Amino acid sequence: NAGVTQTPKFRVLKTGQSMTLLCAQDMNHEYMYWYRQDPGMGLRLIHYSVGEGTTAKGEVPDGYNVSRLKKQNFLLGLESAAPSQTSVYFCASQRGGYGYTFGSGTRLTVV
Amino acid sequence: AQRVTQPEKLLSVFKGAPVELKCNYSYSGSPELFWYVQYSRQRLQLLLRHISRESIKGFTADLNKGETSFHLKKPFAQEEDSAMYYCALDRGGSNYKLTFGKGTLLTVNP
Repeated sequence: NAGVTQTPKFRVLKTGQSMTLLCAQDMNHEYMYWYRQDPGMGLRLIHYSVGEGTTAKGEVPDGYNVSRLKKQNFLLGLESAAPSQTSVYFCASQRGGYGYTFGSGTRLTVV
Repeated sequence: AQRVTQPEKLLSVFKGAPVELKCNYSYSGSPELFWYVQYSRQRLQLLLRHISRESIKGFTADLNKGETSFHLKKPFAQEEDSAMYYCALDRGGSNYKLTFGKGTLLTVNP
């Protein structure tokens, strides 16, 4: 039972490059979320999805896009990376009201 | 909009001492409150849900609607409790989004 798996775990990007972070869950959860974690800022919601084929903006969506083509996968894209997007990114999923299950995080550095 | 405030960025106690991590929230409805814990460089894990009223690893938390607080308590801290603790609020609705506080880093000294 893998739970929530994030790939990659680490990445260094140059400014202007693009990349996609993958989140996969095997718990048949409807709801999935992308957060970023920054020192002194806690966790801030980037985008979320309430089901396959649906996405919505969170608190800090600018510079990111997401897709949920399959129920088990939630992709986070950076089209043109900026140093301000240096962060640790966490994906989470839940069945609904029972609390999140988090992935192990992706540490992204944009230089 | 809802807000979660954890007034202490850092909290340091000695092993065996009581510990209380404060969490205050602002929301006019009836929220669900959670505590999450993150050990060094690990993923966040659910510690407590207020609705389940359970005790995990000796921690308890009581929702005080009058004071809009959900403080986390443990009578005797252990060194392995050293971690970052986040309080989170779900205001209800169909998307179950959580709003997190900025976290409190607890250090338990030997």
